[in-house]
Amino acid sequence: GAVVSQHPSWVICKSGTSVKIECRSLDFQATTMFWYRQFPKQSLMLMATSNEGSKATYEQGVEKDKFLINHASLTLSTLTVTSAHPEDSSFYICSARGYVAHRHTDTQYFGPGTRLTVL
Amino acid sequence: KNQVEQSPQSLIILEGKNCTLQCNYTVSPFSNLRWYKQDTGRGPVSLTIMTFSENTKSNGRYTATLDADTKQSSLHITASQLSDSASYICVVVHNNNDMRFGAGTRLTVKP
Repeated sequence: GAVVSQHPSWVICKSGTSVKIECRSLDFQATTMFWYRQFPKQSLMLMATSNEGSKATYEQGVEKDKFLINHASLTLSTLTVTSAHPEDSSFYICSARGYVAHRHTDTQYFGPGTRLTVL
Repeated sequence: KNQVEQSPQSLIILEGKNCTLQCNYTVSPFSNLRWYKQDTGRGPVSLTIMTFSENTKSNGRYTATLDADTKQSSLHITASQLSDSASYICVVVHNNNDMRFGAGTRLTVKP
């Protein structure tokens, strides 16, 4: 149990376009989802935290108008990178925590990540 | 300064050998400490979770230790395999559930 999926696993887009990344909790209710960004050879950097049905809380330095996060259901959160530029190229990872087997857990379960390349 | 420091930054060992990765932290108060394995191009996968009262925890060939007094943890890998090649990330969870990530140790196991 506690599987998190992401789609797509990789995406290449032109500069100026918008890209949507989905994060799904497959077998549990994710009351909270997290979005991270990871540059090569660096650790994960938290971008934002979202609770189901609420607006996301962004970390300092992360533009909320550029990285739109929606967490409309207990199994799905989306990250939309608007007007993407080459510097947005990175590995985006989501994680989720919530109710696993009807018990609340503080453990975060990570998705497999999405590689974004902006040309 | 990062609140979670890992060493070494990278490590190359031969298949079958053992190795130990280090994690020093300053996060306080802390709830628990976790070690994750991250394969290239994949999300992190949990290996061990330890609370401050636990000194050691094993998961197969992985054994994590924790000294809450000195704020140090280690991850020992026994009889390494080629599939152990990955980044190993130490994560210290603050009492408010914030996760503080180390930069990771890149392990390469060669035949």
